[in-house]
Amino acid sequence: SQQGEEDPQALSIQEGENATMNCSYKTSINNLQWYRQNSGRGLVHLILIRSNEREKHSGRLRVTLDTSKKSSSLLITASRAADTASYFCATDVDRDDKIIFGKGTRLHILP
Amino acid sequence: DAGVTQSPTHLIKTRGQQVTLRCSPKSGHDTVSWYQQALGQGPQFIFQYYEEEERQRGNFPDRFSGHQFPNYSSELNVNALWLGDSALYLCASSLGGHGNQPQHFGDGTRLSIL
Repeated sequence: SQQGEEDPQALSIQEGENATMNCSYKTSINNLQWYRQNSGRGLVHLILIRSNEREKHSGRLRVTLDTSKKSSSLLITASRAADTASYFCATDVDRDDKIIFGKGTRLHILP
Repeated sequence: DAGVTQSPTHLIKTRGQQVTLRCSPKSGHDTVSWYQQALGQGPQFIFQYYEEEERQRGNFPDRFSGHQFPNYSSELNVNALWLGDSALYLCASSLGGHGNQPQHFGDGTRLSIL
């Protein structure tokens, strides 16, 4: 079953613009992670944000977490062609160490 | 520092056969998780191994089984293959057996069932 749902399913933007992806989940969590997957490759960990954190930054990435709304967002600033990939949120459900992935957002950066 | 390695990279099987996929975790990691990823979908959790035992299991039938060796490497076995098992199988390693750690993924094994 899917715990997290990313929105939108697909996103195309011009290079240099900012990209925002959202993730909603159903049950309380210990933490939420964002991963990137290039076509045909494994997933790469981007950021982990704990349930008691509200915002986290890593380079051009900014992640927010709103536990009251059970949602998170991933912002990529000044997008580049190399950012073209699928992005997944993954939740570590409270009292359960399974990590559950959403269906992902497919991001396409146009030159 | 070697990352997660999986073998083989591609595999073709026929219905009813059995398959074994292998994973070596990132150096220093002791936990291995396996995922099934169908085309256009997110990874689905199969199970996790820590200290040579299955700690967590997702919603997969008993046809899916695994093993972890003393060197932390792991195998995924699937019996009685059917067309629906065609997918990318991903192995991820982490430290400590808990879900609060980033996972490092291999590039997967692409399994095709004819």
